[in-house]
Amino acid sequence: NAGVTQTPKFRVLKTGQSMTLLCAQDMNHEYMYWYRQDPGMGLRLIHYSVGEGTTAKGEVPDGYNVSRLKKQNFLLGLESAAPSQTSVYFCASSYHLEKAEQYFGPGTRLTVT
Amino acid sequence: GDSVTQMEGPVTLSEEAFLTINCTYTATGYPSLFWYVQYPGEGLQLLLKATKADDKGSNKGFEATYRKETTSFHLEKGSVQVSDSAVYFCALSYSGYALNFGKGTSLLVTP
Repeated sequence: NAGVTQTPKFRVLKTGQSMTLLCAQDMNHEYMYWYRQDPGMGLRLIHYSVGEGTTAKGEVPDGYNVSRLKKQNFLLGLESAAPSQTSVYFCASSYHLEKAEQYFGPGTRLTVT
Repeated sequence: GDSVTQMEGPVTLSEEAFLTINCTYTATGYPSLFWYVQYPGEGLQLLLKATKADDKGSNKGFEATYRKETTSFHLEKGSVQVSDSAVYFCALSYSGYALNFGKGTSLLVTP
C-alpha cells in the first residue's frame, strides 16, 4: 500500500516550458488536491477534485490546469512555466467524508529559471 | 473567510522541555481542526485532530484541545525530543473538504 505518490520528485524548467506533475493514490479516495508550499506562506490550494471527471479551482489556480480522468490519478499541468511557479507541490487525497483528514504525497520540488 | 493564525517560529527548545505552539482560528460554523507535522524533506502527516468543541486530540505525546470560547487549538507536549524537530501546521476544514493551513511553525529541539 503506497498511499499517495508523486512523480517526479524534482524538476528544473526554463521559463515558458510546460510540464505535468502526476499524483496517484491507492486508497480509493474520492477527493484529491494540489497544494503549493512557499516559504512563510504555508500551503495554498491550487485545484481540487471531488470525484473522477470533476475538478474545481482553489485559492491560487492561475497558470495551472488539472485533470482527473481516473479516480486514482490527479494531474497538474503548467502550460507555460514562470519563475513565480518555483515551489514545492504537494498532492493529497481524502475519503468521501466531510472534514476528513487528508493524506499527503512526498512532494515535487520545481524550479523555474 | 475562514482562516488560521499560528505563532511564528522558529522555536528552539532543549530536549525534555515543554512545548506550546499557539493556534487560533476564525470560522463561520463549526470546522474540524487539525495539526499536521512535516519532517525535513517529507510531505505532511496528520498528527492529531478534533472535530467538535472540547474534543482533545492526542498522538505521540502531543495534545490539543478544541476551545470554541477562545477559538484556539494550541499544540502541547510535555517533554520534547530531538526527533520532534519539524515544521508544525495548524489547519481547519472549510467548505466541507478543503483544508485551510496556517503558515507553519518550525521547531528545533537541541540535545
